[in-house]
Order: sequence, then structure tokens, then C-alpha cells
Amino acid sequence: DTVLTQSPALAVSPGERVTISCRASESVSTGMHWYQQKPGQQPKLLIYGASNLESGVPARFSGSGSGTDFTLTIDPVEADDTATYFCQQSWNDPYTFGAGTKLELK
Amino acid sequence: QVQLQQSGTELVKPASSVKISCKASGYTFTSNYMHWIRQQPGNGLEWIGWIYPGNGNTKYNQKFDGKATLTADKSSSTAYMQLSSLTSEDSAVYFCARVDVYYGFFDYWGQGVMVTVSS
Repeated sequence: DTVLTQSPALAVSPGERVTISCRASESVSTGMHWYQQKPGQQPKLLIYGASNLESGVPARFSGSGSGTDFTLTIDPVEADDTATYFCQQSWNDPYTFGAGTKLELK
Repeated sequence: QVQLQQSGTELVKPASSVKISCKASGYTFTSNYMHWIRQQPGNGLEWIGWIYPGNGNTKYNQKFDGKATLTADKSSSTAYMQLSSLTSEDSAVYFCARVDVYYGFFDYWGQGVMVTVSS
């Protein structure tokens, strides 16, 4: 299975720029997607196809990458962005998710 | 608007089975794949499998083959997942989610069902 590796946690101040990384154990082309999950809620799609912003998601969120290295950027970070962020690949079978990066605000 | 409404919390005994549901509305149920995803406490997300309600075809993550059985009722636009031979390891939140067939992302999710396996 394709393993997706994310850093476990980050802490930033409101107004700053944050990048969350996701590294795949093998190429997933641009079949990478990003979700935001808050406690007790279902994940919410932010970015699909590595760099496409989902409708209704603020333009503060952006994604980049291809192959094995991907990044989700939030600029500027707001207090409401406190959440866990997951990457998910759909290029290889089976679909897999990263373990999540917990974003905390200082 | 698209909605996926899942059934309620389950408390079940070890070695038993449970069947949870996901009622879809706001789109053509038979024309979209429905996926199921597990989230164990404090852990990440695991893909369980999918069902195509239009013809009942299914595909499972090898890890869940024999553990999960996916079905769908076209008349009520409801997808089901049965989990069998439950152990404490199966205690988790289970989500249904609709997939975008072109990109493979999950655009709509149910609210999740908490399944607790305990004697």
C-alpha cells in the first residue's frame, strides 16, 4: 500500500503562513487530496488533484506538488483553522490517508 | 443539496455483528460510488471499500475482506455496511462518503457512526 507520511503537529500564530507536508512512498502523480477535520466532525475537502481549490473553501488554502511530495499551505492562518489536516491519495490501490497533522494556534 | 445521513451510535458485544446505514439524498444514488472509511480513536483514516449501487458491484481493501460486507438498497437510496466477528479493534467511527469518480476524492461525507465493541 502507498504510505503517506505527515508531520504530526504544528503550532503557528494567527496571521502567519503555514505549510503542511505529505510525502508518498511511491508516486501518486497528482492524485492527492487534502481534508480538514475538526473534533467530532467528518472530514471536509479542501484541495483536490493536488492543487485545485474545492468550491467554497477560502483562497487562503492552496496545494502544490506532484509525484511523491505535496504541500498544503494556509496563508494567512486564522483561529478557525485549528484542526487536523489529512492527505489522501487516489492514484494507487487501495486509497490511503496520511496519519494527519494537528494544527494548533499559539 | 447532497446529504449522507448515517444511523446512530452502536454498542455491541464481542463476536457479534452490526449493520450500519447511510441514506443518500440530493443526487442520483445509483450513479455514484459509495465508499466506507474507518477512523479508530486517535488514529487516522482507513479506506474499507466501495459499492456501486447501480449494479451492486463492490471492492474491498484486502485488510477488511471478510470483515465488512457492503450492500445497497436502490428503493430507499440507502447504503449499508455489515461488520462481523467484532473485536475491540473494530471500535471506531465509520463514515460513508461519496467519491468523485474522475479525481478520486471524497466530496460528501456522512456524519459518522461510532461503533463500540465491549462486553
